[in-house]
Amino acid sequence: DIQMTQSPSTLPASVGDRVTITCRASRSISRWLAWYQQKPGRAPKLLIYDASSLESGVPSRFSGSGSGTEFTLTISSLQAEDFATYYCQQYESYSGLTFGQGTRLEIK
Amino acid sequence: EVQLVESGGGFVQPGGSLRLSCAASGFTFSDYGMSWVRQAPGKGLEWVSAISGSGDNTYYADSVKGRFTISRDNSKNTLHLQMNSLRAEDTAVYYCAQQWVVLKYQLDYWGQGTLVTVSS
Repeated sequence: DIQMTQSPSTLPASVGDRVTITCRASRSISRWLAWYQQKPGRAPKLLIYDASSLESGVPSRFSGSGSGTEFTLTISSLQAEDFATYYCQQYESYSGLTFGQGTRLEIK
Repeated sequence: EVQLVESGGGFVQPGGSLRLSCAASGFTFSDYGMSWVRQAPGKGLEWVSAISGSGDNTYYADSVKGRFTISRDNSKNTLHLQMNSLRAEDTAVYYCAQQWVVLKYQLDYWGQGTLVTVSS
């Protein structure tokens, strides 16, 4: 099975900050990676797919990069509504989907 | 507009059974793979099971293999998850999610989730 490891687990930040979340795969997954945002009590929402493609309707301050085993999600200028938990997820393997453990973006 | 609405969650004792459903609308249901993903209270996301658009191919996480069965009724645009031999660690919010190609695509749309509580 492919393991996904996110860092950091918690990220204190302020409105206007540029923040980066990292996701590492236990083996190469090419670019088969998605990022989701989840707010308390809500379902996850797709932000990025294929490592760097922005989902329709998602603000352009969100961007993704990487390939192989290392990936990043960057928010260029944090807005108040961006404080949430973020998950990466691989879809390279027919063994099943796996998620990172999540990164909670909190107000500093 | 794509809509996924889960139902069937509730309270059940360990060893019991529950059947979850996910009603889909706004897209051609049989064209899409579907997955169930769960989230234990205060924890992260865990993929549970997936099924191809035709229903011919099914996939399970090791944690539920042999206890859970995924199925779909394309004539009724409905996805199901039959959960047997439930354990306390199965307590979670269960989400259904749409996937263009089963297991090889991102999860584009998610339902609002249904809570399953396994406790004596």
